[in-house]
Amino acid sequence: DAEITQSPRHKITETGRQVTLACHQTWNHNNMFWYRQDLGHGLRLIHYSYGVHDTNKGEVSDGYSVSRSNTEDLPLTLESAASSQTSVYFCASSPLASGFYNEQFFGPGTRLTVL
Amino acid sequence: AQKITQTQPGMFVQEKEAVTLDCTYDTSDPSYGLFWYKQPSSGEMIFLIYQGSYDQQNATEGRYSLNFQKARKSANLVISASQLGDSAMYFCAMREVNNAGNMLTFGGGTRLMVKP
Repeated sequence: DAEITQSPRHKITETGRQVTLACHQTWNHNNMFWYRQDLGHGLRLIHYSYGVHDTNKGEVSDGYSVSRSNTEDLPLTLESAASSQTSVYFCASSPLASGFYNEQFFGPGTRLTVL
Repeated sequence: AQKITQTQPGMFVQEKEAVTLDCTYDTSDPSYGLFWYKQPSSGEMIFLIYQGSYDQQNATEGRYSLNFQKARKSANLVISASQLGDSAMYFCAMREVNNAGNMLTFGGGTRLMVKP
């Protein structure tokens, strides 16, 4: 069955370290997204990609970067982790939209703690 | 300005009763879609129901229905006959077709607790 996976599921790191969170989907979806979830804020968009070599900044992109070298993967990198980046991170994917409907399929999430 | 507002941070409902979760949105795009997701304590995001801005009828999916009032810019989720398994966070989200491509903007969520 097609799916979307994230790794690691839990990560503890120290301030200033570089961290990469992996996201892999097997639906062959063009669109991929990274969100962070914090209490009271719902999910906020960090970066997104509409295809290979395409990346775009979302609402809260400072301190994060992504690259898309193939259809299946969109790794999220925290260049120098900060305590404010302690959060739960969700990856999502969706197919090309042909109309208004465009359901996003979410990964299980990664809980990141920055000490 | 908030694009999606969910004014109820937490709600209780008695098992087997109906409950309405509020969602208001703000957009100048005439073409948009509204989504509801459920997040149980296990953390995954589960898609529940969708309503397009030009849909004439309110969307329904089993026990879930969407009370869409376009003029008031509200898209409330109605859960009929609540079950204990409905206890979860619920998020309303919007996709603006012309302005934001395929991105979803989420509200802050409502935590629903179903009492036995």
